[in-house]
Amino acid sequence: SQQGEEDPQALSIQEGENATMNCSYKTSINNLQWYRQNSGRGLVHLILIRSNEREKHSGRLRVTLDTSKKSSSLLITASRAADTASYFCATLGSGSEKLVFGKGTKLTVNP
Amino acid sequence: NAGVTQTPKFQVLKTGQSMTLQCAQDMNHEYMSWYRQDPGMGLRLIHYSVGAGITDQGEVPNGYNVSRSTTEDFPLRLLSAAPSQTSVYFCASSYYRQPGEKETQYFGPGTRLLVL
Repeated sequence: SQQGEEDPQALSIQEGENATMNCSYKTSINNLQWYRQNSGRGLVHLILIRSNEREKHSGRLRVTLDTSKKSSSLLITASRAADTASYFCATLGSGSEKLVFGKGTKLTVNP
Repeated sequence: NAGVTQTPKFQVLKTGQSMTLQCAQDMNHEYMSWYRQDPGMGLRLIHYSVGAGITDQGEVPNGYNVSRSTTEDFPLRLLSAAPSQTSVYFCASSYYRQPGEKETQYFGPGTRLLVL
């Protein structure tokens, strides 16, 4: 079964607004990663956060991790039409060799 | 660097046919993996490898074989294609520093497979 589950499944916002996506998982993890997929393309890595970290930033991206709640969030600030894509979280379980993906959040940013 | 390359980009098979999906990377990554992506299901891990000569099963390995004779190549074989294997297949690679450590995955562009 899949480890990470994103919420919401779909999100539609206006350009300039912030977008927040959440990921919940079930077991202890080594790290959690966020990826972006443009329609019909391969996945592109956005950010990795380790289990001993609580927050990371990369440009307009902010990721938080709450291991007590087994959840993570991805915030995209000042969104652009080019941010339209599907966003996936992926978790690496403690001691596991398998990176397991969730089903993704489809983000639409309207110009 | 070409990164992760996959061939073919698109393939149509008849039920029962066999084929090999090719994956190659030129980043000297130890870890390679295959995923399939179906609508509404996200990505599911088929097989993975932590180095040449070492492979292991993922979430959905049935109907697929892999081998890792070199660091660069990680082919995925469909032994007897079934309509349920219609999907988009992605190969990915990353550095592998120690058990339980997984760094950034680099993905190929994908292979779209249709089984009739």
